[in-house]
Amino acid sequence: DAGVIQSPRHEVTEMGQEVTLRCKPISGHDYLFWYRQTMMRGLELLIYFNNNVPIDDSGMPEDRFSAKMPNASFSTLKIQPSEPRDSAVYFCASSLRRGSSYEQYFGPGTRLTVT
Amino acid sequence: GDSVTQMEGPVTLSEEAFLTINCTYTATGYPSLFWYVQYPGEGLQLLLKATKADDKGSNKGFEATYRKETTSFHLEKGSVQVSDSAVYFCALIFYGGATNKLIFGTGTLLAVQP
Repeated sequence: DAGVIQSPRHEVTEMGQEVTLRCKPISGHDYLFWYRQTMMRGLELLIYFNNNVPIDDSGMPEDRFSAKMPNASFSTLKIQPSEPRDSAVYFCASSLRRGSSYEQYFGPGTRLTVT
Repeated sequence: GDSVTQMEGPVTLSEEAFLTINCTYTATGYPSLFWYVQYPGEGLQLLLKATKADDKGSNKGFEATYRKETTSFHLEKGSVQVSDSAVYFCALIFYGGATNKLIFGTGTLLAVQP
């Protein structure tokens, strides 16, 4: 299995630009999660989806952030406009809820730098 | 609410030393417990898990036992290697809950010196 795929792996952009991060979950998984990791704040859950429907977006920092999941094999996280404080590593993860198995599988992350 | 507390790092050890990273949790039900590991420049990987009290999860020489009486899930390894240098995250999911939301600790950096 290919695992969770994220693109791009690295993104450098200027303040004010739109940034789109992409994620392809593991085939057959019904949950998808977006996390942000920084030295100051650690690992934060931004939003998660179940069967393509957003369930909890309480971690999304502000209206500049939006996430979509148009189908079971693709999700995007968009930041518009971007700011230097958005610089972080963004992880996508997916899981399949089956009995007591709640294992989340993480992608390699996208390192975003906003200058 | 549910939460996880880990010992603060960094933890610096010499190769072949014994490792313990403490983890305690607060939960209103019966969570499943996990340890994830993040190697430099990579995403998190599941290291081991336990789904009920007294279960012992183990993998790659690491072990952790689900202690309901002390609400703990401490990670141990008898002899660490340089390749174990990474950040370790303790996490829980509320078993039987309506959501599938992991609650992570803040992570503990382990540095193993040769």
